[in-house]
Amino acid sequence: DIVMTQTPFSLPVTPGEPASISCRSSQSLLDTDDGSTYLDWYLQKPGQSPQLLIYSLSYRASGVPDRFSGSGSGSDFTLKISRVEAEDVGVYYCMQRLEFPFTFGPGTKVDVK
Amino acid sequence: QVQLVESGGGVVQPGRSLRLSCAASGFTFSGYAMHWVRQAPGRGLEWVAVISYDGSNKYYTDSVKGRFTISRDNSKNTLYLQMNSLRAEDTAVYSCASGARNIDDPFDLWGLGTRVTVSS
Repeated sequence: DIVMTQTPFSLPVTPGEPASISCRSSQSLLDTDDGSTYLDWYLQKPGQSPQLLIYSLSYRASGVPDRFSGSGSGSDFTLKISRVEAEDVGVYYCMQRLEFPFTFGPGTKVDVK
Repeated sequence: QVQLVESGGGVVQPGRSLRLSCAASGFTFSGYAMHWVRQAPGRGLEWVAVISYDGSNKYYTDSVKGRFTISRDNSKNTLYLQMNSLRAEDTAVYSCASGARNIDDPFDLWGLGTRVTVSS
């Protein structure tokens, strides 16, 4: 199985400031057949179900503010928030869907300082 | 209203069985692959299983293979998870999720989940 890791475990943020979360996979998530990288980012706000933020490395899901961006390549990925807002608190998960079983990272808890 | 609503959770003894349901509404259920994802208390997300839009393809995480069965009834817009030989480590909130037609599409719709507790 592909193992996903995330850093940091916890991230205190200041509203208006940028923030970034790293995610790494135990093997490349690049599908050489179609050129897509199968790495997604989800945010689980307190008391809510997860919501899709970024799919296939860098595509924002419908309705996701443009302050969120995804980047990276191969097995090293980053989620960036250009200016954190109070509503961005929660646990962020990366997930690979290159192959089954899909696997999630352990999560990064983002809260306001 | 586009939504997924899970039901069927509860407290069950180790070794017993439970069947979870996920009722879909507001979209063409028969055209979407469906997943089960679980979250143990205080833990992260764990993908459990997927079924293709027509039920012809199914995949499971290793820890549930041979014990859990995912199925669907497109005439009832409902997804199921039959869980047999339950273990304490299966204790979690189970959520269904959908993406699009393909089984490897991202999940853009989630239910709120149903809680399963395996305890004697």
